Amino acid sequence: DTEVTQTPKHLVMGMTNKKSLKCEQHMGHRAMYWYKQKAKKPPELMFVYSYEKLSINESVPSRFSPECPNSSLLNLHLHALQPEDSALYLCASSQEGAYTEAFFGQGTRLTVV
Amino acid sequence: EDQVTQSPEALRLQEGESSSLNCSYTVSGLRGLFWYRQDPGKGPEFLFTLYSAGEEKEKERLKATLTKKESFLHITAPKPEDSATYLCAVHPPLGGNTPLVFGKGTRLSVIA
Repeated sequence: DTEVTQTPKHLVMGMTNKKSLKCEQHMGHRAMYWYKQKAKKPPELMFVYSYEKLSINESVPSRFSPECPNSSLLNLHLHALQPEDSALYLCASSQEGAYTEAFFGQGTRLTVV
Repeated sequence: EDQVTQSPEALRLQEGESSSLNCSYTVSGLRGLFWYRQDPGKGPEFLFTLYSAGEEKEKERLKATLTKKESFLHITAPKPEDSATYLCAVHPPLGGNTPLVFGKGTRLSVIA
């Protein structure tokens, strides 16, 4: 099973709202990632978690707050977003410490109004 | 400096018209080159991993090859359902577990 599950699939939120994106995998992967993807652009790395600890933050604004409650779950908390934050948010996982492929979820299409 | 460059940016093929997509990379000490397929509004779907020059992988109508400077994704007798964006990615030459760096992709359209 190479499935990464993301919820919700679609989310519309106002600029004053607080919402969370969720990601789950059961492949035993200890590296998990959040990517942001705009239309017709490649995925852009936001955060990397390694063994449930944040290892990379690609200078992401603080209105995005990641959390890794356990080895299978990854959350992205959203607060006071801007319309330009509207994008497809992708979660991925891979084996830790190995140069292997990452498996992606189907993404959450976020629209900020 | 881009580490991964894909060409062409877009490709339109007739059904059954074979072609190749190119991914050139500038990283030294390649630690894996990865091909993904992405449908509109969906997450990338893993296709192939290549580690060594000369390596080849096949899946249905797709065949990926790797040289010391580039990789090709060959599509034989494509069908309309092969229409998608194909992404190439590498691990940058940093220590430890580093996330994938993606090229900008090739948007493939196969017309019936």
